[in-house]
Amino acid sequence: DVKVTQSSRYLVKRTGEKVFLECVQDMDHENMFWYRQDPGLGLRLIYFSYDVKMKEKGDIPEGYSVSREKKERFSLILESASTNQTSMYLCASNARGSSNQPQHFGDGTRLSIL
Amino acid sequence: AQSVTQLGSHVSVSEGALVLLRCNYSSSVPPYLFWYVQYPNQGLQLLLKYTSAATLVKGINGFEAEFKKSETSFHLTKPSAHMRDAAEYFCAVSEGGSYIPTFGRGTSLIVHP
Repeated sequence: DVKVTQSSRYLVKRTGEKVFLECVQDMDHENMFWYRQDPGLGLRLIYFSYDVKMKEKGDIPEGYSVSREKKERFSLILESASTNQTSMYLCASNARGSSNQPQHFGDGTRLSIL
Repeated sequence: AQSVTQLGSHVSVSEGALVLLRCNYSSSVPPYLFWYVQYPNQGLQLLLKYTSAATLVKGINGFEAEFKKSETSFHLTKPSAHMRDAAEYFCAVSEGGSYIPTFGRGTSLIVHP
C-alpha cells in the first residue's frame, strides 16, 4: 500500500523557534507538495518540488522554506515560527506529468505555535 | 486559470437520506476532476476521479459523481447516508499539463441519526 508519512502528528513550538516538518513517501514520486489547511480556507499550497533539489513557491510561501535532498523526502521549514503559522500541515505527492493522477496525502501535522 | 467552487461549507442530512455535495469548476481546457474525503485528524484520501472517460464516475464507499460539461459541474452523490460518512469533502480540478490541482474550500458533511 502506498504511503506518505509525516514525522509528527502533533507539534508544539514557541514563537521564534526554527521548526522542521518532515515528509517521506515510498512511491518513487517525483512531485511533492506542502499545504496548510485552515478552517474555511481549504488547502493552500506553500511550496512544491518536482525533482530532487528543485522547489517552486506556491500561493503562500512567506515565512517558509523547503528542502528536497532525496527523492523520497520533502521537508518544510519555518525559519522563525510565529503564532499565525499555527495550522494543520499536509504533505502530498504524485507522479511526474500526471495531471490526471491524484495526490497521495499524509495524515497531517497539527502545529501549535505558542 | 482553473478554479473550484463548492457550494455550502456545511451540509446536514439524516442517516439514510440522499447526500448531494456540489462542485462547480472553471477551466480553459478539458479538466481532470477529483473528489477527496478527509476524516477527522487524517489526511485526504481519494474518493473518485474523472479523467474524460465515462461521465458518471463511481467511487469508494458508495459515492458517485457526474461530470456535466454544459453546467461545468461535478456534483458528488450517495443514495443513502451513513454515520461513517461524516467528514470533510474536497473537490479539486487539474488541467492537462499541470500536476498542481486547485482545491475547493471543502464541505463538511454532518449526518444525524
